[in-house]
Amino acid sequence: GAGVSQSPRYKVAKRGQDVALRCDPISGHVSLFWYQQALGQGPEFLTYFQNEAQLDKSGLPSDRFFAERPEGSVSTLKIQRTQQEDSAVYLCASSLEPGGYGYTFGSGTRLTVV
Amino acid sequence: KNEVEQSPQNLTAQEGEFITINCSYSVGISALHWLQQHPGGGIVSLFMLSSGKKKHGRLIATINIQEKHSSLHITASHPRDSAVYICAAPYSGGGADGLTFGKGTHLIIQP
Repeated sequence: GAGVSQSPRYKVAKRGQDVALRCDPISGHVSLFWYQQALGQGPEFLTYFQNEAQLDKSGLPSDRFFAERPEGSVSTLKIQRTQQEDSAVYLCASSLEPGGYGYTFGSGTRLTVV
Repeated sequence: KNEVEQSPQNLTAQEGEFITINCSYSVGISALHWLQQHPGGGIVSLFMLSSGKKKHGRLIATINIQEKHSSLHITASHPRDSAVYICAAPYSGGGADGLTFGKGTHLIIQP
């Protein structure tokens, strides 16, 4: 597609529910990043893929967070047993180059845990 | 981890004013990003620069690698420029492992 597509745009989950957030990067983009943006804050790095390989997951806040990109294109960020502190906007960005230069960001998924 | 600081945190100006937003970072980098985020909207990449100066329309970005400092300028500001402007630098300097973001500068341009 023309841009990075994220779905759903909004998600309300009950505490304890599992959620899955999808990122569809620009076709051919090698690098894919997930970020978490709390209200009023700048985004925080979660994880990075180069093609299907997850090269860095140091930003994932707990083992309830899991990301995958099995075929090197679409990526899914899964959060198990959601907690209120997980409420945030989850941003996906992709880049043609392995170094992540020239990022294109998706519009984000706003997750609200109630 | 790179630490990114932006100033000011909030800025309100009148239409037509020249705007400057500053960014400093702690670890030497390969490239720095300036991003724009409208309320409720996604993030748009404005500039990626590794040296000197870049210009796009009324936006100008400069970077001083030695001083680890960058500025974003808006000339002849307009209400549609109202947004959050975010500076971002590679997480550990190299760029291959994500970005560290500043907290953003909330800019309001009043007509």
